[in-house]
Amino acid sequence: KNEVEQSPQNLTAQEGEFITINCSYSVGISALHWLQQHPGGGIVSLFMLSSGKKKHGRLIATINIQEKHSSLHITASHPRDSAVYICAVSRIGNQFYFGTGTSLTVIP
Amino acid sequence: ETGVTQTPRHLVMGMTNKKSLKCEQHLGHNAMYWYKQSAKKPLELMFVYNFKEQTENNSVPSRFSPECPNSSHLFLHLHTLQPEDSALYLCASSQGPAPYEQYFGPGTRLTVT
Repeated sequence: KNEVEQSPQNLTAQEGEFITINCSYSVGISALHWLQQHPGGGIVSLFMLSSGKKKHGRLIATINIQEKHSSLHITASHPRDSAVYICAVSRIGNQFYFGTGTSLTVIP
Repeated sequence: ETGVTQTPRHLVMGMTNKKSLKCEQHLGHNAMYWYKQSAKKPLELMFVYNFKEQTENNSVPSRFSPECPNSSHLFLHLHTLQPEDSALYLCASSQGPAPYEQYFGPGTRLTVT
């Protein structure tokens, strides 16, 4: 069993919809990361958080340390949001664990 | 040039070849990482360098050999690879070891024939 589990694996949404991607983890962490990977491979770090909530534009990330759960929300989704979203956790000592990613397609 | 760059972007090599992947970061970071991304699998951390010293080696086969001559450059030397080594190889850097935010390069798409 992977230390980081994401759901759903695939998600298709209509433009404008509110989107939620979930991440659960089973290890103690120092931080949780949300990454975005576009076709072609490049990965961009969206958020790094260890508690509470962070917001950047239409993206919101939350984390519940007690429940070992995080969510990534996209408000007013747009076709350019289509990408793979990866949840990762880091631990002291350069240990990283990654989820398998959620493939999001936003249809105009 | 800014950010993290990787060369080449695409590489096709035979199983008997020797090649090297290069990564360069222009962010003044002290930690650099090599990752392997295979289809339908999570990212796999291969090597970590912190201040040019290797701190992690996650049971990577010896046919992969990293080199970090300074904090800005990272190489991955490849020799006698197997077809199952075909994957996207990503380099990343961060200000320091975890839990600092990582910045990724565009990756090298490697195909072993």
